[in-house]
Amino acid sequence: DAGVTQSPTHLIKTRGQQVTLRCSPKSGHDTVSWYQQALGQGPQFIFQYYEEEERQRGNFPDRFSGHQFPNYSSELNVNALLLGDSALYLCASSWTGTLYNEQFFGPGTRLTVL
Amino acid sequence: AQTVTQSQPEMSVQEAETVTLSCTYDTSESDYYLFWYKQPPSRQMILVIRQEAYKQQNATENRFSVNFQKAAKSFSLKISDSQLGDAAMYFCAYRRRYNFNKFYFGSGTKLNVKP
Repeated sequence: DAGVTQSPTHLIKTRGQQVTLRCSPKSGHDTVSWYQQALGQGPQFIFQYYEEEERQRGNFPDRFSGHQFPNYSSELNVNALLLGDSALYLCASSWTGTLYNEQFFGPGTRLTVL
Repeated sequence: AQTVTQSQPEMSVQEAETVTLSCTYDTSESDYYLFWYKQPPSRQMILVIRQEAYKQQNATENRFSVNFQKAAKSFSLKISDSQLGDAAMYFCAYRRRYNFNKFYFGSGTKLNVKP
């Protein structure tokens, strides 16, 4: 089991550009959440996808959007990049089939906006 | 709104000694989970320990234990017999019991382990 995987590992973009980050959940997991971790800070919840729909959203602007595919993998899209979007983006997956479901994190994508 | 506060940005401990990391949180909920995650330089978040708020008994996982004070909204992590591999960022996190994937994280404590 490869666990949660994310691609790419690193990414450099310029202001105003658009970026897509990808996440494959752990085998058997059906829910994906995305977090933004600024340097020196804890992760902040962006949104969660389940059954191909956005179920919850944190305090992030509409420039942040996502998608979940039938195989449960997910994408995070950020439009009109700002310098402040530079961060580590973490994907986490879990399975909704139990009362307590542990969330597993991927290694993240480091996004740098110049 | 739920907030999680870690007031120790950085701590150091001698190998084989014991260290305690502090965390406080604010919530109006009565049923929730608390977690400690470890983030080594490899960046992958690893679950260290979790505590269900409805359980009075403090959770323990090998060398890791917590001191959960629900009334005080305090949740500290004790690492016994510290090892070099324990060096990492440690994050305290909260989630409501039935809100499976929305975690609230503290700002982290960097733990250094001295040989």
